[in-house]
Amino acid sequence: ETGVTQSPTHLIKTRGQQVTLRCSSQSGHNTVSWYQQALGQGPQFIFQYYREEENGRGNFPPRFSGLQFPNYSSELNVNALELDDSALYLCASSLGSGTTEAFFGQGTRLTVV
Amino acid sequence: LAKTTQPISMDSYEGQEVNITCSHNNIATNDYITWYQQFPSQGPRFIIQGYKTKVTNEVASLFIPADRKSSTLSLPRVSLSDTAVYYCLVGDKRGYGGSQGNLIFGKGTKLSVKP
Repeated sequence: ETGVTQSPTHLIKTRGQQVTLRCSSQSGHNTVSWYQQALGQGPQFIFQYYREEENGRGNFPPRFSGLQFPNYSSELNVNALELDDSALYLCASSLGSGTTEAFFGQGTRLTVV
Repeated sequence: LAKTTQPISMDSYEGQEVNITCSHNNIATNDYITWYQQFPSQGPRFIIQGYKTKVTNEVASLFIPADRKSSTLSLPRVSLSDTAVYYCLVGDKRGYGGSQGNLIFGKGTKLSVKP
């Protein structure tokens, strides 16, 4: 148990719809990073939030956006869903941007049909 | 960015020792080598990290030769529960190899342990 919880665990959406995924970070952690993991691939970095501000972004289009709240929980929003967005979405929390080890949640499995 | 290369898959039997080798030919002087384990439908979890020579913990051992261009994760006497994907990462002391303070994962090695 890492103390990082994600919801929902599974989700099915239709192409073109919008989705919001949620992550509660480990107690005391102020940094949340989101990763996308397609089937058979390693996790790919989407973006990171540190103290409620976006603090780094990977090679993902603007329809991938996020938020971090004062309690350091976070949301990942994806607009105009495409079939290729089907993946396991992982969030990882840490204390300080890049200063401590990251702990992952169990992920949200998103299927776009 | 130091890229890593690992075998795509490995098979083993319960009770055997498993060695997974990772190549990282252009590792930088300040880089560490970190290994993560991921079970199906779970997030990756840190298992071991090293800079040079040998590191051992309760889960695994990590062997790093003097030139540091490769490393070997050793799992002693594996059990069925060790079936997972193992990722080798190169980066700072916390494992972060990306310029955005992010982890960089390759495809990993899928280890299947059979009874």
